[in-house]
Amino acid sequence: DQQVKQNSPSLSVQEGRISILNCDYTNSMFDYFLWYKKYPAEGPTFLISISSIKDKNEDGRFTVFLNKSAKHLSLHIVPSQPGDSAVYFCAASAGGGYGGSQGNLIFGKGTKLSVKP
Amino acid sequence: GAVVSQHPSWVICKSGTSVKIECRSLDFQATTMFWYRQFPKQSLMLMATSNEGSKATYEQGVEKDKFLINHASLTLSTLTVTSAHPEDSSFYICSASQGPTTDTQYFGPGTRLTVL
Repeated sequence: DQQVKQNSPSLSVQEGRISILNCDYTNSMFDYFLWYKKYPAEGPTFLISISSIKDKNEDGRFTVFLNKSAKHLSLHIVPSQPGDSAVYFCAASAGGGYGGSQGNLIFGKGTKLSVKP
Repeated sequence: GAVVSQHPSWVICKSGTSVKIECRSLDFQATTMFWYRQFPKQSLMLMATSNEGSKATYEQGVEKDKFLINHASLTLSTLTVTSAHPEDSSFYICSASQGPTTDTQYFGPGTRLTVL
């Protein structure tokens, strides 16, 4: 059973508009959530994270929202740029985000974002 | 669909021994598999890319003689950490790709390696 789900395999957005990528999880023990961005032929790179004690974290054009009661998080990119076109992976951890023995990451299957000029 | 498993999920070994980690695609054929190592603060490092039936392509700085990768079939890739040392203790994640492009990767649940 998938613990982290990204139900939209792809998303297409016009440049300058908002991109919203969604992620759902089932394990209530998850307390730290991350978004990774992946370009072709490269490994995923860390983008932004959020702890379960918060419901929002913002970093420039990227904002992650967490709804614990719904076990749902979303990544908002505003304004979207063509360089944002990539695959975005949602990941969750039950270890508080410190890595080590408690930081095992569980990944979703990714959403491919295409930002059209 | 598109499930990737790893075995074992965790392993503890003594320094100097070798450890094999398996990555399997359960319901699809994975032409390409990737091995990652997780570092503190959740960063992932791509270690190598393996294509079925051919030698793995290692990223710069990854010792190919220490981290042996075999992709013997379309559903199985193995990573062997040879002569493991405590600094090799980490979380190793594999992912698999179904087709010629690597846009979509399906991640395994990871293997926690602790070297004493």
